[in-house]
Amino acid sequence: DTGVSQDPRHKITKRGQNVTFRCDPISEHNRLYWYRQTLGQGPEFLTYFQNEAQLEKSRLLSDRFSAERPKGSFSTLEIQRTEQGDSAMYLCASSLGRNQETQYFGPGTRLLVL
Amino acid sequence: LAKTTQPISMDSYEGQEVNITCSHNNIATNDYITWYQQFPSQGPRFIIQGYKTKVTNEVASLFIPADRKSSTLSLPRVSLSDTAVYYCLVGDGTGGGNKLTFGTGTQLKVEL
Repeated sequence: DTGVSQDPRHKITKRGQNVTFRCDPISEHNRLYWYRQTLGQGPEFLTYFQNEAQLEKSRLLSDRFSAERPKGSFSTLEIQRTEQGDSAMYLCASSLGRNQETQYFGPGTRLLVL
Repeated sequence: LAKTTQPISMDSYEGQEVNITCSHNNIATNDYITWYQQFPSQGPRFIIQGYKTKVTNEVASLFIPADRKSSTLSLPRVSLSDTAVYYCLVGDGTGGGNKLTFGTGTQLKVEL
């Protein structure tokens, strides 16, 4: 399977704990995006990378959130001191790097903060 | 970013053609119109993209009038497996990373 993969698929944690999610994009894709989706809503943009550079961050990305893409391949999204409001599906997508092009989404990581 | 408006839900039966219309009155000159499909507990999946007139692929057709203020996704002969949420998006044509702005989508339910 050469699609976007995400790990883990599910994560249950207690409030105040740190969690880290991983995304492996399609191999030749330069752009990588993170989105968050809550129940009944469409995905909301969080941040994106062009290769290893993080070029844009949404206001939704509080200082408890940090994303990296150190070698321009896989990316990690870390949430520190999780809160119950962080419970959501975290989606990763990748694309070749041209405008108006298709983004390919992974299956997502579902986070539940107790 | 241009905002989109689409029906919250639609019901259909197997074998019917389904048309989902989306309005985007503030679409910019450089913006394309893109539709995604999402099943529960999965990421969105690209269906079709267009700029004007009509685009057809193996899955769907997209009709865009000359003023581009709306678009219609047409799914021919739907089956139960087409039950999903369908999102209409208008891209950021300014070159700003092409982040996607999703609305709440249209929940399509297909019955026997």
